[in-house]
Amino acid sequence: EDQVTQSPEALRLQEGESSSLNCSYTVSGLRGLFWYRQDPGKGPEFLFTLYSAGEEKEKERLKATLTKKESFLHITAPKPEDSATYLCAVQALSGGSNYKLTFGKGTLLTVNP
Amino acid sequence: GAGVSQSPRYKVTKRGQDVALRCDPISGHVSLYWYRQALGQGPEFLTYFNYEAQQDKSGLPNDRFSAERPEGSISTLTIQRTEQRDSAMYRCAAGTDTQYFGPGTRLTVL
Repeated sequence: EDQVTQSPEALRLQEGESSSLNCSYTVSGLRGLFWYRQDPGKGPEFLFTLYSAGEEKEKERLKATLTKKESFLHITAPKPEDSATYLCAVQALSGGSNYKLTFGKGTLLTVNP
Repeated sequence: GAGVSQSPRYKVTKRGQDVALRCDPISGHVSLYWYRQALGQGPEFLTYFNYEAQQDKSGLPNDRFSAERPEGSISTLTIQRTEQRDSAMYRCAAGTDTQYFGPGTRLTVL
């Protein structure tokens, strides 16, 4: 069974204080690992897809990296508007055309001004 | 995101009533997914459509839950004889390589 564990559950940062969120996964053949951002009362918003170990992607203050067992979302010099829940999800190769996502519980990030 | 709409946004019903939740992938995606999200949790897979064909319904909790997508566009998730434990946010997502989520329907069963 595919599993995703995110840590920490919650993280408080001061504006400008860089940190990382962790996503550990177990999957029967990884097709893709996804990061989403979710604001209160809204649906998850797509950020990144990573397909193979060693891959990195960046968007503004966010950088996602992938190894064979985990992914990190690095946040550099965060701003209060980066406050949100960050969700990690995996897609397995074994699903055929069914690219269903298995999500972790998320990390609630709060950035204080 | 990417033109996925859901209705209603909020639904309050009494235990034992049937409810129908609608998803419209406005941008015409082939693949459509339903997820359920409890408070403080990530979305959990319910069912998957490829065009009009329901190809995986393994995540549906029991036979009170059903879904259809008769013309390969709009999809309806129906819950019969609702129970309080069915209260949750129901989310629809569309897309193949990348899934774009709608705003969800908050279902409350009294």
